[in-house]
Amino acid sequence: EVHLVESGGTLVQPGRSLRLACAASGFTFDNYGFHWVRQAPGKGLEWVSGISWNSGKIAYADSVKGRFTMSRDNARKSVYLHMTSLSAEDTALYYCAKDRAQWLAIIAHWGQGTLVTVSS
Amino acid sequence: DIQMTQSPSSLSASVGDRVTITCRASQRISSNLNWYQHKPGKAPKLLIYDASSLQSGVPSRFSGSGSGTDFTLSISNLQPEDFATYYCQQSSRTPHTFGQGTKLEIK
Repeated sequence: EVHLVESGGTLVQPGRSLRLACAASGFTFDNYGFHWVRQAPGKGLEWVSGISWNSGKIAYADSVKGRFTMSRDNARKSVYLHMTSLSAEDTALYYCAKDRAQWLAIIAHWGQGTLVTVSS
Repeated sequence: DIQMTQSPSSLSASVGDRVTITCRASQRISSNLNWYQHKPGKAPKLLIYDASSLQSGVPSRFSGSGSGTDFTLSISNLQPEDFATYYCQQSSRTPHTFGQGTKLEIK
């Protein structure tokens, strides 16, 4: 069974940095791409970033480009989202999500999310 | 970026009804369109991928159609567990944008 467990969400001050992690299990990690999707309070889903199976393709939403960096560690079966220059607009529940394949951007499995709150 | 526009934004229906949700892309995306169901406090769930393919385990009362710029999600014989928010998402080009969501409520 696929399991995705996010961690790292917390209350952080504007302008600071934060790293989210997602630990995966229950499947062959190396074969799949991953994505981060967020949902701000009272808002809809927003695709944030994606990474292909071999890290050869990494892409970002315009709203986070230049501030967020997505990476993966196949040995640790984990993906990460390093977030810098955080603002209130980044406050959201961040979901780690597994692609249906190497990169189809079809999100077949989701974690339960980790909450990031940016506030002074 | 490709903009995804869903209609309606909200919808009231009764158990047993058939409903249709529409999603329009600002550019042609072939059949690279996916539908998700999201309930409060839960992770989103993939229903339909590539416009019309039913994800494994999803009831056959869910169906999708369309290509190019116009797509629909239909739910027949609504069940109590179907009341949720539904999102379309394009998987054609990055960023892989979502629609704004359609909230399906019980009448």
